Amino acid sequence: GQQVMQIPQYQHVQEGEDFTTYCNSSTTLSNIQWYKQRPGGHPVFLIQLVKSGEVKKQKRLTFQFGEAKKNSSLHITATQTTDVGTYFCAGYNAGNNRKLIWGLGTSLAVNP
Amino acid sequence: NAGVMQNPRHLVRRRGQEARLRCSPMKGHSHVYWYRQLPEEGLKFMVYLQKENIIDESGMPKERFSAEFPKEGPSILRIQQVVRGDSAAYFCASSPMIGQGRQNTEAFFGQGTRLTVV
Repeated sequence: GQQVMQIPQYQHVQEGEDFTTYCNSSTTLSNIQWYKQRPGGHPVFLIQLVKSGEVKKQKRLTFQFGEAKKNSSLHITATQTTDVGTYFCAGYNAGNNRKLIWGLGTSLAVNP
Repeated sequence: NAGVMQNPRHLVRRRGQEARLRCSPMKGHSHVYWYRQLPEEGLKFMVYLQKENIIDESGMPKERFSAEFPKEGPSILRIQQVVRGDSAAYFCASSPMIGQGRQNTEAFFGQGTRLTVV
C-alpha cells in the first residue's frame, strides 16, 4: 500500500540551530499537509501545499513541495524551545482523496 | 465556533469491559476520522465516516471495534471486551464536506481520549 516516510525519526538540536524534516511518498500526492503535535497535545494543522514545487513560509518555518509531488520538507531556522514537538506530514493520494496518509512524524527536542 | 469535542478526555476500563468514545465534529463538518496513537508513535488511521455512512474502515481491527456517525449526535467509536493492547490515545478529526470547493482540506483534531485498560 501507499506509504509516507518521514526522516529523521528524532532530532535533538541546540536552541538557535536549524532543523529540517523530510517526507517522502511512494506515490504521487495531490497535496501535502504539515501538522505539529506538542507533547501531551493533539495534532494542529500548520499548512497545506498543493502545487508542484510550491514553497511557503511561516515566520521561521519554510515548507517545500517537490516537483514530482512525492516529497516535501519542513525547515525551521534558528529553533526555539517553543518549537519542541512532533511534526507530521500527511497527504492525499492523487488517485484517492478519501483519507490522509500520514508519516510517522519527526520528534524535535531543543536544548536551551 | 467550538472546535472538535471529544469525551471523555481520560477513560479507564478493566479488561473485558466496553469503551465508548465520543466525538462531536466542528460545526458544518460532515466528515469524521478516527486515529489511534500509541506512546512515542505516529497516528494510525482507523476509520473515515460521513453522516450515517462508513466510507473507509480499512484501519479498524476486524473484531471488537466499531464506529458510527448517526444523523443526529456525535460519532461514536466503540471497543468491546477491551484488552491491555487497546490502551492508547484515540483522536477524532473532522473536515468540511468534500465538494464545496474545498476538497482535500485540512483535518481539525479534538484533544483526544486517553484510554487505559487495567
